[in-house]
Amino acid sequence: SQKIEQNSEALNIQEGKTATLTCNYTNYSPAYLQWYRQDPGRGPVFLLLIRENEKEKRKERLKVTFDTTLKQSLFHITASQPADSATYLCALATVRNAGNMLTFGGGTRLMVKP
Amino acid sequence: GAGVSQSPSNKVTEKGKDVELRCDPISGHTALYWYRQRLGQGLEFLIYFQGNSAPDKSGLPSDRFSAERTGESVSTLTIQRTQQEDSAVYLCASSLRVRGANVLTFGAGSRLTVL
Repeated sequence: SQKIEQNSEALNIQEGKTATLTCNYTNYSPAYLQWYRQDPGRGPVFLLLIRENEKEKRKERLKVTFDTTLKQSLFHITASQPADSATYLCALATVRNAGNMLTFGGGTRLMVKP
Repeated sequence: GAGVSQSPSNKVTEKGKDVELRCDPISGHTALYWYRQRLGQGLEFLIYFQGNSAPDKSGLPSDRFSAERTGESVSTLTIQRTQQEDSAVYLCASSLRVRGANVLTFGAGSRLTVL
């Protein structure tokens, strides 16, 4: 069966360190993968998209890697800040109905301590 | 509007009643998604509309759940004969397809509590 796995345990790190979150998947051939941030009581907000033919994407302090052989994406936040504390969700896109259907992982909560 | 608007933001209902949740997507967005999020859980896909294609209803958990979308505008998610396990936040998102990719913009959600 298809699965998207993110570490359900919260990740606690010290301010200034690099946070690394993992997204593993099985039985998918995603066209692309996305990362979203969700704060309590709010809907997720898009952060980054990486396509199947891309190895790495960067945006400011964020970096995403995508290894289709390992079926894994890593999401890095460098020089982390307490304001980065949130739940981070990965989402895989599969082609459906002339569009793309996105399936989300369960998310990993990140806590950055000052 | 500037973003995805959902109503009501909060709904408390009694078991067995029907509820309707509304989503106003961003104007011009061709795709619309409904997800369910139980407390402390991830997003559970419910249904996906893409333009004029038949909707993908593969995530609807039972025949008590249905959704409609009028053209490329408003969508309504209906839950009939609500059960306590239906209590969750129902999130709607819309997207525009750019270079083959759909990037979702979410609403703030409708929190449903079934007593």
